Amino acid sequence: QKEVEQDPGPLSVPEGAIVSLNCTYSNSAFQYFMWYRQYSRKGPELLMYTYSSGNKEDGRFTAQVDKSSKYISLFIRDSQPSDSATYLCAMSAGGGNKLTFGTGTQLKVEL
Amino acid sequence: NAGVTQTPKFRVLKTGQSMTLLCAQDMNHEYMYWYRQDPGMGLRLIHYSVGEGTTAKGEVPDGYNVSRLKKQNFLLGLESAAPSQTSVYFCASSLDLFSTSGTVTYEQYFGPGTRLTVT
Repeated sequence: QKEVEQDPGPLSVPEGAIVSLNCTYSNSAFQYFMWYRQYSRKGPELLMYTYSSGNKEDGRFTAQVDKSSKYISLFIRDSQPSDSATYLCAMSAGGGNKLTFGTGTQLKVEL
Repeated sequence: NAGVTQTPKFRVLKTGQSMTLLCAQDMNHEYMYWYRQDPGMGLRLIHYSVGEGTTAKGEVPDGYNVSRLKKQNFLLGLESAAPSQTSVYFCASSLDLFSTSGTVTYEQYFGPGTRLTVT
């Protein structure tokens, strides 16, 4: 079993929809949680970063962490075609900045 | 700033050939990483470095070697390429565990990737 599980999709939604992306994990030592966005044939770029449990909001994006359930989510409001990308969750227990990535969820926002 | 750059962008190798992938960063980052990305497997860490002259094994180090002779460069070598090494390779860099402001930062900055095919 992988330490981080993520539904690969693809997920297709109409423009303006609310998107929910999720990851589950098994390592209770993880305390730093990130979402990276990767456009086709590009390198990943950091979208959201959260420490421990709770919510964090940045514009149309909200990241949630529920450590008791070992579950993290990324919500995208008013989704746009430019949000079409693969979204990777990533986690770290600390030390060495090493990250464990999910497999990524491919999102397509259609006009 | 160019950020993180990778050379080459594409390469086709025959089984048994060797090659070196070059990663360069101009952000004065201490940490550098090499990942491979395969369908259904996500990003997996091959090797990483916590500073000039240091290297360490990641999750999938077999068949690869690395060197960090200069702080800004991180080289990934394949001594005898195998078809199983067909993948997209990403280099990344990051600040030390704690930034100069004292806050923890885990942002890794990624390069554009190298697409390697081994036939």
